[in-house]
Amino acid sequence: AQSVTQLDSQVPVFEEAPVELRCNYSSSVSVYLFWYVQYPNQGLQLLLKYLSGSTLVKGINGFEAEFNKSQTSFHLRKPSVHISDTAEYFCAVSDLLQGAQKLVFGQGTRLTINP
Amino acid sequence: NAGVTQTPKFQVLKTGQSMTLQCAQDMNHEYMSWYRQDPGMGLRLIHYSVGAGITDQGEVPNGYNVSRSTTEDFPLRLLSAAPSQTSVYFCASSPRLAATGELFFGEGSRLTVL
Repeated sequence: AQSVTQLDSQVPVFEEAPVELRCNYSSSVSVYLFWYVQYPNQGLQLLLKYLSGSTLVKGINGFEAEFNKSQTSFHLRKPSVHISDTAEYFCAVSDLLQGAQKLVFGQGTRLTINP
Repeated sequence: NAGVTQTPKFQVLKTGQSMTLQCAQDMNHEYMSWYRQDPGMGLRLIHYSVGAGITDQGEVPNGYNVSRSTTEDFPLRLLSAAPSQTSVYFCASSPRLAATGELFFGEGSRLTVL
C-alpha cells in the first residue's frame, strides 16, 4: 500500500517570492505521482503529474515538480508566486497496477500568498 | 461543458436520517469514485466503480452504499447518518484505461450531520 506525507500543513509566502511544497511518499512498487490544486469552494484539478521519463515535470500556472526516487520525494516548486496561487495543494500517489483508480492523497498544504 | 455534477451542494441532516448524494458525468468515463475530505486528513476514498454494475470499497466504506446502474451516474447513499459523516464529499471520474492518471472532480457536497 502507498502513503503520502505532506510535510507542511500551511505555507505563507509573500507575493513574487519562490515557494516549495514538500511531499514524500512510501510504496513498495513503482508509482505515478501527482499534484492537485483546490481553489476555495471548488473541486480539485490536476496541476502536474509524473508517470515516467524526465524527473522534472512542468505543470500549469508555472509550477514544476521533481521526482526523486532515492529520497522518495516529489516536491512542488514555483519561482515566483502570485496572489491567485492561494489555494490548497494535494500530493497524490498511485501504483502502476491501479492506474488512476486508487489515488492516495496527502493531507494537503494550504498556500497563502501575502501582498 | 458540464463535466462532473454533484447535487446537492449543501445538506444538513439529523442523526439517523438517510439521504443520497447524486453524481453524474457526461464524459463517458468508465471509472467513478467518491472521496470525503476532512481537515488535516486530505481526501479518503469511500467507494469506486470501474464500470456499470461494478463497485468496490475504498479506504473508508463503512456507513455508505453505492450502486452503478449506468455509466453516467454514481450515487452515494447514507442509510443512517452519523455526526462522524459530517464532511465534504467529492465525486470524481476518469477514463478506465487512463495512463494520464487524471481524475476529474465535481465541486463537492458539504454535509452536516447534527
